[in-house]
Amino acid sequence: LAKTTQPISMDSYEGQEVNITCSHNNIATNDYITWYQQFPSQGPRFIIQGYKTKVTNEVASLFIPADRKSSTLSLPRVSLSDTAVYYCLVEGSGGYNKLIFGAGTRLAVHP
Amino acid sequence: NAGVTQTPKFQVLKTGQSMTLQCAQDMNHNSMYWYRQDPGMGLRLIYYSASEGTTDKGEVPNGYNVSRLNKREFSLRLESAAPSQTSVYFCASSEVGLPSSSSYEQYFGPGTRLTVT
Repeated sequence: LAKTTQPISMDSYEGQEVNITCSHNNIATNDYITWYQQFPSQGPRFIIQGYKTKVTNEVASLFIPADRKSSTLSLPRVSLSDTAVYYCLVEGSGGYNKLIFGAGTRLAVHP
Repeated sequence: NAGVTQTPKFQVLKTGQSMTLQCAQDMNHNSMYWYRQDPGMGLRLIYYSASEGTTDKGEVPNGYNVSRLNKREFSLRLESAAPSQTSVYFCASSEVGLPSSSSYEQYFGPGTRLTVT
């Protein structure tokens, strides 16, 4: 199974940059790395997806090194509303074993 | 657009009862998914439907059945509920997905909180 490993929890303060790293040692050549955000009592929401190097959108950046065995989600200048659980997911063709959500990283942003 | 809708939002069942969770999407997506999420854990895939007329088992299919009624709707049925099925159930959809695509964004519904006593 395509398995990812993330820190269980992180703490930060408003205005800081937060980096959450995900390990995915057995990523396949055609797999993409996707990050989701989940607030309490809601379904996960797509944040960003990438294949290699760097991807940036209006809310986050995703850094993927050349070996693709890890990736880092970067949230610039977090606010209290960024308090949520963040999931790293390796998605690819071939079957359901590509849709494995780990326990995620619980980010708490403090005033 | 409503996106992905799920009914009901909450349900309490007694052991052995049956029920169907409904899911619909209005984004003309081809693929749909059912997940369960237990406290403090990530989501686990129960079943998925790559396209209308097809369904496949995910990681935890035992005790569940699904129906892809049409392109919009994907239902999950518990034939004989057990306390171990107490969970929050999420439906999701994507434009393309398993088994052929490598890149797809999933859109999730708000979830159904199910308690089996």
